[in-house]
Amino acid sequence: KAGVTQTPRYLIKTRGQQVTLSCSPISGHRSVSWYQQTPGQGLQFLFEYFSETQRNKGNFPGRFSGRQFSNSRSEMNVSTLELGDSALYLCASSSGGGGLNTEAFFGQGTRLTVV
Amino acid sequence: AQSVTQPDIHITVSEGASLELRCNYSYGATPYLFWYVQSPGQGLQLLLKYFSGDTLVQGIKGFEAEFKRSQSSFNLRKPSVHWSDAAEYFCAVAPRGGNTGKLIFGQGTTLQVKP
Repeated sequence: KAGVTQTPRYLIKTRGQQVTLSCSPISGHRSVSWYQQTPGQGLQFLFEYFSETQRNKGNFPGRFSGRQFSNSRSEMNVSTLELGDSALYLCASSSGGGGLNTEAFFGQGTRLTVV
Repeated sequence: AQSVTQPDIHITVSEGASLELRCNYSYGATPYLFWYVQSPGQGLQLLLKYFSGDTLVQGIKGFEAEFKRSQSSFNLRKPSVHWSDAAEYFCAVAPRGGNTGKLIFGQGTTLQVKP
């Protein structure tokens, strides 16, 4: 079974631009969560999508948005990039039922650098 | 507020020595508990999880963890550390029975292994 695939692996953007990151979950998984990882703030939850609907949201500004498609693939978008958005963005896939199905499998991440 | 604390930011042990990484959580009810490991520039790999039952759980790579309800702790242990165990370790929690894939992470503990 293929794991969680995130593309691209590395990205360099200029301040003010926007960026779209992609995540393909494990086949059969309906939940996709996104996390931002920085040295200062650690791993912070951005949002979770389940069956094309945002089910949970972290405490990030509206510049961070996402969506999920009918095949469970998810995209995350960051508009008007700031230097502080430089981070490793991780996607996690789970079956989505909650409870015992909470076990999450992570992708390799997308390293975003804003210059 | 829900939180996870890993008191040790950095730990150095000699190869072959035993290891214990500490994790304490603050939560309304006993959550699901996880330990993840991350190698530099990579995603997170699940080492082990506790949902219910036996409070001593076995994971991959020779790791085990013990859940202690009275101390709100879930410490990770390994009897003999190998150089390849050098990585960053994260403790995480998820709400029990909740309809969410959201994980709350500790700040992480970086493990250095001396030859």
